Parts: sequence; structure tokens; C-alpha cells
Amino acid sequence: AQSVSQHNHHVILSEAASLELGCNYSYGGTVNLFWYVQYPGQHLQLLLKYFSGDPLVKGIKGFEAEFIKSKFSFNLRKPSVQWSDTAEYFCAVSSGGSYIPTFGRGTSLIVHP
Amino acid sequence: DSGVTQTPKHLITATGQRVTLRCSPRSGDLSVYWYQQSLDQGLQFLIQYYNGEERAKGNILERFSAQQFPDLHSELNLSSLELGDSALYFCASSGGQAPQETQYFGPGTRLLVL
Repeated sequence: AQSVSQHNHHVILSEAASLELGCNYSYGGTVNLFWYVQYPGQHLQLLLKYFSGDPLVKGIKGFEAEFIKSKFSFNLRKPSVQWSDTAEYFCAVSSGGSYIPTFGRGTSLIVHP
Repeated sequence: DSGVTQTPKHLITATGQRVTLRCSPRSGDLSVYWYQQSLDQGLQFLIQYYNGEERAKGNILERFSAQQFPDLHSELNLSSLELGDSALYFCASSGGQAPQETQYFGPGTRLLVL
């Protein structure tokens, strides 16, 4: 069964700092990769997704993620965070032809103004 | 606003009781997914319906059941509730069921079992 690891459970940054959140998965075949964000009191929404092609994916709100197949990783990055980026971030992976994603446990990001 | 609606927003009930959670997908979406989010288990997939038919099952307990109606709204029924069923229950919808499809999540129903 697919498993997804998000190593950083809590991250605290100051505004303008750079962000990188780790995501690793276990399945070695074809994967579909997602990052979702959940702002306080709101629903999960898609930040970006990767299915094929350029392994560097650009998403909304200045986020990007890089798929590194050899490392089974799909890390999320943002060069300069804002207070409004305070949220819970979830990595999700579907694989083997399945369209049901497995979610990581989430990373709570707090950005101090 | 994702276009997915869930009711009720909050639910407080007692052990042994039965509750029904409701989800209305985005207009035109045929697939509905149910997830449970708890502190110890994270976000767990429960079940998926596509155009009225069950298509995929995840970690759903036998005490839980779901259905999707002709108007495509879905209900998740939780019975013989236990303290451990306290969680946030999310519904999501997508147009079809291809791996590339984005799932759009509702605001969730927070269930507290006392």
C-alpha cells in the first residue's frame, strides 16, 4: 500500500523567509502527486499537482514543487512566505492507476508577521 | 468557496447513537468521496461514489455506510457511534474518476461523540 511521509509536522517562519516542506512516498511506479492547503477554518484546496512532464510544477500563490523520482520526493517550496500562508499543508499521492489519493499527515505552518 | 456543501457544520451526539452527514457536490460533478480526519489517523479515505454507484472503498468501518442519490448528493451514515468516531468528516467531489482529476473539498462536518 502507498504511504506518504511529511517529515515536518510543525514549521514556524518569519515573513519573507523561504519555505521547503518535505514529502516522500513509497510506491515506485507511476504516481500522481498533489499538494493541498487548508487555511484556518476553511476547506482543503489544491495548491498544485503533477502527473507528467516538467518535474518542476508551479502552483497558485507563488508555490512550486519539484518531483524527484529517484528520491521518491515531491517537496513544496516558496521563496518568500507571507503571514497569509499560515495554514496546514497536505501532500497526497495516487498511484498504480488508482485515482484515490493517500494523504500525508500534514504540516502546520505558522508565519510570524 | 469550493462549490461543495456539507451539512451540518457541527454535530454533538452520544455514544451508541446514529447520525447522517450530507454532502452536495459541485454542479456537474459525478464523483463524491468521503474522508475522515482525526488527530491520530490524519486524513483517511472512506468511500467513493460515482453517479450513484459505489466505486471504491477505503478504511470504512462496517458501522458506517454511504449512498449517492439520483440528484448526486451523498449521505454518510454513522451508527453505533463510539468516542473514537469523533473527527472531522470531509466530502470531496470531482467531475469523473480519472487520476488526474482534482478533488474539490467541502468545509467538513465536525462530529463530537460524548
